[in-house]
Amino acid sequence: GAGVSQSPSNKVTEKGKDVELRCDPISGHTALYWYRQRLGQGLEFLIYFQGNSAPDKSGLPSDRFSAERTGESVSTLTIQRTQQEDSAVYLCASSFPGYGSPLHFGNGTRLTVT
Amino acid sequence: QQQVKQSPQSLIVQKGGISIINCAYENTAFDYFPWYQQFPGKGPALLIAIRPDVSEKKEGRFTISFNKSAKQFSLHIMDSQPGDSATYFCAVSLTLNKFYFGSGTKLNVKP
Repeated sequence: GAGVSQSPSNKVTEKGKDVELRCDPISGHTALYWYRQRLGQGLEFLIYFQGNSAPDKSGLPSDRFSAERTGESVSTLTIQRTQQEDSAVYLCASSFPGYGSPLHFGNGTRLTVT
Repeated sequence: QQQVKQSPQSLIVQKGGISIINCAYENTAFDYFPWYQQFPGKGPALLIAIRPDVSEKKEGRFTISFNKSAKQFSLHIMDSQPGDSATYFCAVSLTLNKFYFGSGTKLNVKP
């Protein structure tokens, strides 16, 4: 079956521009996560969606970052006025709710801000 | 604040050897401890996970050892193979609401 799909796979943008990253989770997965992975570093939690509950936005690094999710499907992560320090791989993951359900990751979007 | 600390940052092991990666956490409320494996250009994938009510879980060549009192858990890869060369992340979770990941260990298994 289809896994988590992220697009674009690569994005190069100029400093100050806005970018939108897309995530298509696995069908039926009500939980959806966004993580940021800087080069050679770990995964930094950004935001978590669970069903129709209010999202947990506690990991968003600044108000330039926002994310939306349409029901239990597609999610978009938007970064406004991009800065060079935003350069990273942005990973999306989805899972079923409940204990022991693993996160299924997409292959990420590599964002380069020039 | 880093929720989980992982070591070593990198590891070189000969084929057939044992690879050991360690993680430590502070919050005793964490209740799920997975390990993820990541190959270059790919997203991480679940390798093995443990609950805090057991001290060890083994799946094939991969074993998690869990020490609740020390708030530490480790991944052991027996008979390490070149195909195991990847980056490994430990993670901790609180009722699956949010996963915090370690900084990663880059494993290189020499043939």
